[in-house]
Amino acid sequence: DTEVTQTPKHLVMGMTNKKSLKCEQHMGHRAMYWYKQKAKKPPELMFVYSYEKLSINESVPSRFSPECPNSSLLNLHLHALQPEDSALYLCASSQDPPRPAAGGANVLTFGAGSRLTVL
Amino acid sequence: QKEVEQDPGPLSVPEGAIVSLNCTYSNSAFQYFMWYRQYSRKGPELLMYTYSSGNKEDGRFTAQVDKSSKYISLFIRDSQPSDSATYLCAMSLVRGAGSYQLTFGKGTKLSVIP
Repeated sequence: DTEVTQTPKHLVMGMTNKKSLKCEQHMGHRAMYWYKQKAKKPPELMFVYSYEKLSINESVPSRFSPECPNSSLLNLHLHALQPEDSALYLCASSQDPPRPAAGGANVLTFGAGSRLTVL
Repeated sequence: QKEVEQDPGPLSVPEGAIVSLNCTYSNSAFQYFMWYRQYSRKGPELLMYTYSSGNKEDGRFTAQVDKSSKYISLFIRDSQPSDSATYLCAMSLVRGAGSYQLTFGKGTKLSVIP
């Protein structure tokens, strides 16, 4: 099994709604990531979890709240979002967390993404 | 100057052509260089990654890194319509515990015409 599975594929929500995006991998990877991708733009890193602990938060607004219940699951809780938050949200995983000794050699496997529209 | 520059295209080629995709970068600390392919409405899929300067080949794909010029390339031989996608270069470095950077280029949209 070499997949990263994301649900839902599409989500439409109002600015007052609370919703969650889910990500699952069964490759035994120890690091999981959330990226945001706007149309015709490259993915932008939001969060990194290493061994189920939040290790990197790229100054993401608090209306995005990540959660890693176990080593296979990663959630992104959404609350009070703005229309400009509409984007493709990508989950990724890598076998090892980023660490200096590895020199950044952590290869990411991406999911298909959850396309979010905020009205 | 942006850390990673990539021509967004679009690039159209006839089936069977050799395709050359390129990125330049400014941060000499980047250590790993990757190429991802992204089909419409899908997540990026890793094609190849390299560490040192030189060439790496995998089937019809060849990745080339020139660290002295801060220039990387992806060549696709005998291009097929199924190669039509957006190709993203990406570069990574780890500065220290909790400090990780993976920078993507803007992506080049490739169309291979039958």
